[in-house]
Amino acid sequence: DAGVIQSPRHEVTEMGQEVTLRCKPISGHDYLFWYRQTMMRGLELLIYFNNNVPIDDSGMPEDRFSAKMPNASFSTLKIQPSEPRDSAVYFCASSAKGYGYTFGSGTRLTVV
Amino acid sequence: GNSVTQMEGPVTLSEEAFLTINCTYTATGYPSLFWYVQYPGEGLQLLLKATKADDKGSNKGFEATYRKETTSFHLEKGSVQVSDSAVYFCALSSNAGNNRKLIWGLGTSLAVNP
Repeated sequence: DAGVIQSPRHEVTEMGQEVTLRCKPISGHDYLFWYRQTMMRGLELLIYFNNNVPIDDSGMPEDRFSAKMPNASFSTLKIQPSEPRDSAVYFCASSAKGYGYTFGSGTRLTVV
Repeated sequence: GNSVTQMEGPVTLSEEAFLTINCTYTATGYPSLFWYVQYPGEGLQLLLKATKADDKGSNKGFEATYRKETTSFHLEKGSVQVSDSAVYFCALSSNAGNNRKLIWGLGTSLAVNP
């Protein structure tokens, strides 16, 4: 198995632009999680899905952030419009029945 | 609510030294406990886990025992190597209903010098 695949690995964008981060979970995993990691705030859970349905989005910072999971093999996290304070590493993780996550390698987002 | 407390870093050790990173938790019911490791520039990787009291998780020379009486899950390794330099995260899963959120500690940075 190729593991959890995230793209792009690095993204540099200008303030105000739309950013879309992508994630392909491990086949057969029924939970998918989006995290954000910064030096200041550490690891933050943004949203998670079970069987493609959002279960808890209380960590999504504001309306500029949205996440979708149209099918079991793909999820997106969109930021529109992006701001410099959104600069962080965004991780996707998947899990079978919610036990023991497998993380992707992350997307390093820089908003200038 | 549920919470995880880890010892603050950074921790700096010489190669072959003994490592302990303390982790205590607060939870209702019977949580599962995890240690994750993050190497520089990478995502987090599951290092070891324990799902019930007195279980010992082990991997790559690291061990942690689920102690319900002291609500602890301390990470230990008898002889660290330079390649163990990383950030270590303790985490808890409540196992309650459909809730699969992991509750994370803040991470402990470990630097091992040759």
